[in-house]
Amino acid sequence: GQSLEQPSEVTAVEGAIVQINCTYQTSGFYGLSWYQQHDGGAPTFLSYNALDGLEETGRFSSFLSRSDSYGYLLLQELQMKDSASYFCAVNRDDKIIFGKGTRLHILP
Amino acid sequence: EAQVTQNPRYLITVTGKKLTVTCSQNMNHEYMSWYRQDPGLGLRQIYYSMNVEVTDKGDVPEGYKVSRKEKRNFPLILESPSPNQTSLYFCASSLQTGELFFGEGSRLTVL
Repeated sequence: GQSLEQPSEVTAVEGAIVQINCTYQTSGFYGLSWYQQHDGGAPTFLSYNALDGLEETGRFSSFLSRSDSYGYLLLQELQMKDSASYFCAVNRDDKIIFGKGTRLHILP
Repeated sequence: EAQVTQNPRYLITVTGKKLTVTCSQNMNHEYMSWYRQDPGLGLRQIYYSMNVEVTDKGDVPEGYKVSRKEKRNFPLILESPSPNQTSLYFCASSLQTGELFFGEGSRLTVL
């Protein structure tokens, strides 16, 4: 089947670095995306990895390894406003499949 | 301003009463899709459309219909809503499927 696994919750300290992992059991997909969703809001796009390797966008980086069926989102210099849910997603045959999301808690 | 607009944002209805949630985008995107979000289940794709008159089922299409008569509009139709369709619904669009732009969401309650 097709599924993406993410931790349900992660807790980190303000100013620190946190990594949110995403493992998947699907093949033949076009790329791995990450989205952020604050409580009461809509998901917003963070990054997209079409190829293996690291993509960096400011404080956020995303990584994909197709051989390991694994990706992650790295958030650096955490700020309180980063408290949100984070979803990984794959595009397969024009369908979009999302993970169930990781709730990031940030402690001051 | 580039945006995806959904209406209504909030709706309470009763079982069996047909309803339509509209979705419109002003970015000339080919790809549009609908999702429902339920606690603990994340976002699940209901239907998607690659272009005008081209639609296909996502993972949870049962009980829903869509149409794509114009590029900018992609309404979601619930012909006979049931309580298990109570959910938060999001419409999204993209040029390709790598970066989705989401609407603000429509919270539907079916009594």
